[in-house]
Amino acid sequence: SAVISQKPSRDICQRGTSLTIQCQVDSQVTMMFWYRQQPGQSLTLIATANQGSEATYESGFVIDKFPISRPNLTFSTLTVSNMSPEDSSIYLCSAIQGDYGYTFGSGTRLTVV
Amino acid sequence: AQSVTQLGSHVSVSEGALVLLRCNYSSSVPPYLFWYVQYPNQGLQLLLKYTSAATLVKGINGFEAEFKKSETSFHLTKPSAHMSDAAEYFCAVSEGGNNRLAFGKGNQVVVIP
Repeated sequence: SAVISQKPSRDICQRGTSLTIQCQVDSQVTMMFWYRQQPGQSLTLIATANQGSEATYESGFVIDKFPISRPNLTFSTLTVSNMSPEDSSIYLCSAIQGDYGYTFGSGTRLTVV
Repeated sequence: AQSVTQLGSHVSVSEGALVLLRCNYSSSVPPYLFWYVQYPNQGLQLLLKYTSAATLVKGINGFEAEFKKSETSFHLTKPSAHMSDAAEYFCAVSEGGNNRLAFGKGNQVVVIP
């Protein structure tokens, strides 16, 4: 299955700033996903990123807050914009390859102060 | 939309005892079901998956799960707990072509020596 490298692994950011998280897959994948895992909570899907089209956002998430790029079949970025302490979470990217082969990156642990 | 229910956020089990984590799902189409494990400060690792083949699925680290359509369940078991099984476990469901994963709230497993 695909191997995903995600960076940064962790960051501490000032409120009001933005952070871009990168996700690199070692092979071409059709669909990529971005999830948020708030402290002590499960994973919530933010958006689905398809190459060559706009990302599809889930209810409660908007492009202005979480812009996503997917320039090719092996790479995607998620930006957390105008951050507040409520954005402190783990952000994970995921890719699907073949029949239901979901792979996850190791996550970005974000703390907003 | 698909959903997953995992009861009991924290599960304590004695070393050598049976591990049983319950997962019930809701899906409008035949589901694809997954169990993931998350160790501290790490991403998600796939334990096993059900994709409409054999109803009893064997995974890594001695875990297995049985798909029961009549009970809409996909419970995870391991006959004998090991200290290294201490982690968080997530059940997830995907509705086929939708390809989006919906996660349960997770079970934090504590293994008691």
